[in-house]
Amino acid sequence: KNQVEQSPQSLIILEGKNCTLQCNYTVSPFSNLRWYKQDTGRGPVSLTIMTFSENTKSNGRYTATLDADTKQSSLHITASQLSDSASYICVVSLMDSSYKLIFGSGTRLLVRP
Amino acid sequence: KAGVTQTPRYLIKTRGQQVTLSCSPISGHRSVSWYQQTPGQGLQFLFEYFSETQRNKGNFPGRFSGRQFSNSRSEMNVSTLELGDSALYLCASSLDRFQETQYFGPGTRLLVL
Repeated sequence: KNQVEQSPQSLIILEGKNCTLQCNYTVSPFSNLRWYKQDTGRGPVSLTIMTFSENTKSNGRYTATLDADTKQSSLHITASQLSDSASYICVVSLMDSSYKLIFGSGTRLLVRP
Repeated sequence: KAGVTQTPRYLIKTRGQQVTLSCSPISGHRSVSWYQQTPGQGLQFLFEYFSETQRNKGNFPGRFSGRQFSNSRSEMNVSTLELGDSALYLCASSLDRFQETQYFGPGTRLLVL
């Protein structure tokens, strides 16, 4: 069954600290993996997209890694800011004509001053 | 370039009524996807339209339907509303079906009483 699991469900960190969010998937065939940031009450915003052949991709203080062999991805946030408080959603795309996206349930991050 | 717009932003309906939500994609984008987001289920895929044709459908009952117009604008209709339909409905657009990045609108928050 195609699934995307994220951990932890929620996380609280202090401003300025780093954190890492995890995403494990069983989606096959795999096309790409995306990380989205969603502020409360708003639509998701794309942070990174990685294909099978990419191991890491950065977007400012956000760095995503992908291990296609173990089917794991992580999103590392460096020097967190209060504005990083949001839900982070991992999404995996199927490589077939359906163009189906499989969504994780998200990690809710709270950055405290 | 204007982003994805959704109208209305908020809506209150009663059980049994029907509702139509509208989505205007980014200019030039031909693919529009709809998602339902609830606290308990996270983001769930409803359907995708491309060139006025439904190309993909999620696991939702037939009460949920949609269409896309020649200018790529899309509407989603929910008939015979149930309490469980209360959710944030998100629309996302992309250049074409296999475009990497989807751009999400702010969503329509529907409350069914």
